[in-house]
Amino acid sequence: EDKVVQSPLSLVVHEGDTVTLNCSYEVTNFRSLLWYKQEKKAPTFLFMLTSSGIEKKSGRLSSILDKKELSSILNITATQTGDSAIYLCAVGRQGAQKLVFGQGTRLTINP
Amino acid sequence: EAQVTQNPRYLITVTGKKLTVTCSQNMNHEYMSWYRQDPGLGLRQIYYSMNVEVTDKGDVPEGYKVSRKEKRNFPLILESPSPNQTSLYFCASSLAGRVSYEQYFGPGTRLTVT
Repeated sequence: EDKVVQSPLSLVVHEGDTVTLNCSYEVTNFRSLLWYKQEKKAPTFLFMLTSSGIEKKSGRLSSILDKKELSSILNITATQTGDSAIYLCAVGRQGAQKLVFGQGTRLTINP
Repeated sequence: EAQVTQNPRYLITVTGKKLTVTCSQNMNHEYMSWYRQDPGLGLRQIYYSMNVEVTDKGDVPEGYKVSRKEKRNFPLILESPSPNQTSLYFCASSLAGRVSYEQYFGPGTRLTVT
């Protein structure tokens, strides 16, 4: 059975800190790993990582895929209160018609 | 504007009273899916559809029905809602060949069954 596990489940830091969120997976025929940010309602897409694109960066956010360890990290540097959200990791399989989601990490940035 | 819309956004109902949550997308996406989100469990797939008249069960289909008569619409039907279906529901869509890539999510429907 496909499995995606995120850690920590909850994290509280101060504005300006750097945080690292983790995602590990056990998926047959891995195709892609996606990170989403969920603030008040719908998840919004952040990054997609595949075997041909294992590192992505956008501003203060960056993500790396470790194919050997079957995991990914999402880094956020110089955090701001607007980064407070639930961060979701999801994995897709080759030939499968769905994404398998982790439980999410609730990140709270205090001023 | 490209988007996925859901209605209603909030719904409080009683056990056993049939309800439908609508989902519509304007991106001509073949693939559509319903998820429910519960605390500590992440997003779990209920049903999905690869195209018109093609639907299949996800991980938690019990108590739900779907239909796909038109490409843009994918309603979720609860024939006899129960309290354990109290949850936050999301509809999502993507191009069929890119299901394991980016999915676009609707704003969510918060359902409470008493």
